[in-house]
Amino acid sequence: GAGVSQSPSNKVTEKGKDVELRCDPISGHTALYWYRQSLGQGLEFLIYFQGNSAPDKSGLPSDRFSAERTGGSVSTLTIQRTQQEDSAVYLCASSLWEGREGQPQHFGDGTRLSIL
Amino acid sequence: QKEVEQNSGPLSVPEGAIASLNCTYSDRVSQSFFWYRQYSGKSPELIMSIYSNGDKEDGRFTAQLNKASQYVSLLIRDSQPSDSATYLCAVNMIGGSQGNLIFGKGTKLSVKP
Repeated sequence: GAGVSQSPSNKVTEKGKDVELRCDPISGHTALYWYRQSLGQGLEFLIYFQGNSAPDKSGLPSDRFSAERTGGSVSTLTIQRTQQEDSAVYLCASSLWEGREGQPQHFGDGTRLSIL
Repeated sequence: QKEVEQNSGPLSVPEGAIASLNCTYSDRVSQSFFWYRQYSGKSPELIMSIYSNGDKEDGRFTAQLNKASQYVSLLIRDSQPSDSATYLCAVNMIGGSQGNLIFGKGTKLSVKP
């Protein structure tokens, strides 16, 4: 497909379990972003990747959260030992990267994570 | 600190009226500005981009940019109930810690029939 693809669309798991969320960006987009959005709230930045540069992890809320991007394409966000406060929609976005000029980000449909 | 500010609303307008959504930003050198629409339970969708001072029109939508005053606005003419959504302003900020765009928290718009 032409858009950002995220999987799974919904994930329900028990507290304490690990989860992996996947994002497949738009082909040719070198920048990839993860956000979290709780019900009725704004976007909370988590992490972004740009090309081969070291990712900016400044938004990760704790060391239970990690992300990787293999081969400059698909990214996986991992949450270890999940807590109920991790319940949210996790959104992935991708964009071109043109230096000083900002490029629009294009979002996937998100993964709705529910921790029981 | 690099910030994008929006009134959270809700902004309520009658059907057929003009809805005006505003956004201010902190970085004087920002060059790219975007408006996203987010329906409840859905992901943000890009609806407008603007790069130069002045107005940019696309159908019922007009984006207005004033770099000297550091604000960008979105006008929706002939508002329809289907325009009811949260509108996010996004601004590029060089050296920002969140990648190339900083998002505001959004303004919730409600168009009443």
